[in-house]
Amino acid sequence: RKEVEQDPGPFNVPEGATVAFNCTYSNSASQSFFWYRQDCRKEPKLLMSVYSSGNEDGRFTAQLNRASQYISLLIRDSKLSDSATYLCGHASNAGNMLTFGGGTRLMVKP
Amino acid sequence: DGGITQSPKYLFRKEGQNVTLSCEQNLNHDAMYWYRQDPGQGLRLIYYSQIVNDFQKGDIAEGYSVSREKKESFPLTVTSAQKNPTAFYLCASSTTGVNEQFFGPGTRLTVL
Repeated sequence: RKEVEQDPGPFNVPEGATVAFNCTYSNSASQSFFWYRQDCRKEPKLLMSVYSSGNEDGRFTAQLNRASQYISLLIRDSKLSDSATYLCGHASNAGNMLTFGGGTRLMVKP
Repeated sequence: DGGITQSPKYLFRKEGQNVTLSCEQNLNHDAMYWYRQDPGQGLRLIYYSQIVNDFQKGDIAEGYSVSREKKESFPLTVTSAQKNPTAFYLCASSTTGVNEQFFGPGTRLTVL
C-alpha cells in the first residue's frame, strides 16, 4: 500500500457545486497534513495546512480523521477557477520531510 | 520579492550528457528539497538538505547529485546514469521545524 493515496479523478462538477475528495495515509505517526493546489504545468502552491482536527479558509475546509487515517478537502460553491489538481502531503516525525499523494484532478464546468 | 527561483525553465539534453538545474531562494530557509514529477504523477523526493554542507538521499536519488555550499543555493545535477531523466523537476524550501514547503516554478527537462 502506498504511504499516501488519492483518487486521481477527474472529478467533474458544475459551477456552484460542493465537492469533496479524500486522501488516505498509512503512517499513523503522521503529525501534520497539507493540501496543495497545482495548475497544469505549474508548481504546487500551498492551499491549507492541518495540524489538529481540521482547518477552514473561506470555501475550503479540510478535516482530519485520525481513527480512519484520512484527510478530506471540501470545496463549497465551486468556481471555474478551482479547476486544478489537488495534492495531499503529510509529515511524519521524521523532520521536514513530506510524502505526497498522486493528486486528484478537479474540473469545474459552467 | 522573496521567493524561490529555478533555471532554466526548459532544458533539452542529449543522452549521455550531465546537466545541472539551478535552485535559489531568498527566504532565509534552512531546508531545501528536490522533487521529480512525471506526467499524471505525484512528487517523488530526490534529495534534501536541512543545513549547509549536508544533504541526504530521498526515495529516488540514483543518477542524481547535489551540493549545498550556500544556504541560498541547492543545485541538482542529472547525470548520465539516470536512465529516464525526462520529467518536471521542482525545488522547494522550508523553515526548519515547520513542515510547509514552498516550491519554485520548476524546470522541465527533456532528453532527446
